[in-house]
Amino acid sequence: DGGITQSPKYLFRKEGQNVTLSCEQNLNHDAMYWYRQDPGQGLRLIYYSQIVNDFQKGDIAEGYSVSREKKESFPLTVTSAQKNPTAFYLCASSILPAGAYEQYFGPGTRLTVT
Amino acid sequence: AQTVTQSQPEMSVQEAETVTLSCTYDTSESNYYLFWYKQPPSRQMILVIRQEAYKQQNATENRFSVNFQKAAKSFSLKISDSQLGDTAMYFCAFMKRDPQGAQKLVFGQGTRLTINP
Repeated sequence: DGGITQSPKYLFRKEGQNVTLSCEQNLNHDAMYWYRQDPGQGLRLIYYSQIVNDFQKGDIAEGYSVSREKKESFPLTVTSAQKNPTAFYLCASSILPAGAYEQYFGPGTRLTVT
Repeated sequence: AQTVTQSQPEMSVQEAETVTLSCTYDTSESNYYLFWYKQPPSRQMILVIRQEAYKQQNATENRFSVNFQKAAKSFSLKISDSQLGDTAMYFCAFMKRDPQGAQKLVFGQGTRLTINP
């Protein structure tokens, strides 16, 4: 089945540690995105990538980093510089041009930092 | 800056009733896309319906339809014959183009819809 895989579903880390969230898609989509969701708020864009080896900052990129070495993979690293990392993280992908096609979302990863 | 506003944090209706969720947005662009996404308790985001701004006809998908008022920058979602499975968070989203030409979604804060038996 084609789709987007995010692992793990739940992730726990101690404050001060970097943590990497996995996102893999087998839809052959060009564009991939990372969003953050907090309670009572909509999704906010962290980073996005339209082609391999290229990515751009979204609205809340501070404290996060990404890589896009393969078309299928777009991992997100939450660094110790992120002041409030506990949140629900969603990965998405789409065919380009993005507006003409929907974004498909993964099941998400709940990150808790204590 | 483009913004999306959903003025109803929560709504609750009885099964089989019709419910309308409101959404307004702000943009200076003339051609764009609007979306409604559904997020059930599983937290999986699912596309409900999409509207292209250059199309005057309102989009419809089975029991879901929109009332798109371009001049008023309004994009409401109507759910007819509501079902228990419609219980979810609903997000309105606007597709914007940044200065580099990339297209990105901007989401509203969501409306929590509960369908009661």
